[in-house]
Amino acid sequence: QVQLVESGGGVVQPGRSLRLSCAASGFTFSTYAMYWVRQAPGKGLEWVAVTSDDGNTVFYVDSVRARFTISRDNSKTTLYLQMNSLRREDTAVYYCARASSSGSHVRDASDIWGQGTLVTVSS
Amino acid sequence: EIVLTQSPGTLSLSPGERATLSCRASQSVTSNYLAWYQQKPGQAPRLLIYAASSRAAGVPDRFDGSGSGTHFTLTINRLEPEDFAVYYCQHYDNSPFTFGPGTKVDIK
Repeated sequence: QVQLVESGGGVVQPGRSLRLSCAASGFTFSTYAMYWVRQAPGKGLEWVAVTSDDGNTVFYVDSVRARFTISRDNSKTTLYLQMNSLRREDTAVYYCARASSSGSHVRDASDIWGQGTLVTVSS
Repeated sequence: EIVLTQSPGTLSLSPGERATLSCRASQSVTSNYLAWYQQKPGQAPRLLIYAASSRAAGVPDRFDGSGSGTHFTLTINRLEPEDFAVYYCQHYDNSPFTFGPGTKVDIK
């Protein structure tokens, strides 16, 4: 079945780095834009980043631009989020999500979500 | 950046009643690129509505989305016990594709 499984979360000190992965299965990964969305404990959803199906178009929310990098390996059907210079305010559950329609456009809703991976930034 | 405001913050209703949730945008959302999601505790969000009024696959027809421009509405007709949750709107017009703060629908 269609599935997204995140991994790579954990406890990390402020200023350090972490890379999240999202393994996709059950659909043609290379034809869908993909997103990262996060949710701080007890808070609402925050959109983080998007990559087009070919990885050539990416966008970020201002608070992570220049610190986070979204990328994908279509041969491995995996989405990544490289997070550098982590701050306490980056503590959240990070979800990967799929665009609801195939194609290179990034402007889309998200119809498939992973279960999330918790990142805790703390000394 | 488009800022989304949702109201009310909390809606207390009984099963069988109708819920009306509002989402207002700080500027017009072109092409009605507006989605609604449902989230229950400990779960990932679930897509309910996309393009302001199109129901996602498997979503019951008691969920209706409407609106355009800067004002959008999610209506849940005849609330079922499983509908008590938090609802978020999100635009995907231009980056960043922000979410609203959410409306919690709880049992009265």
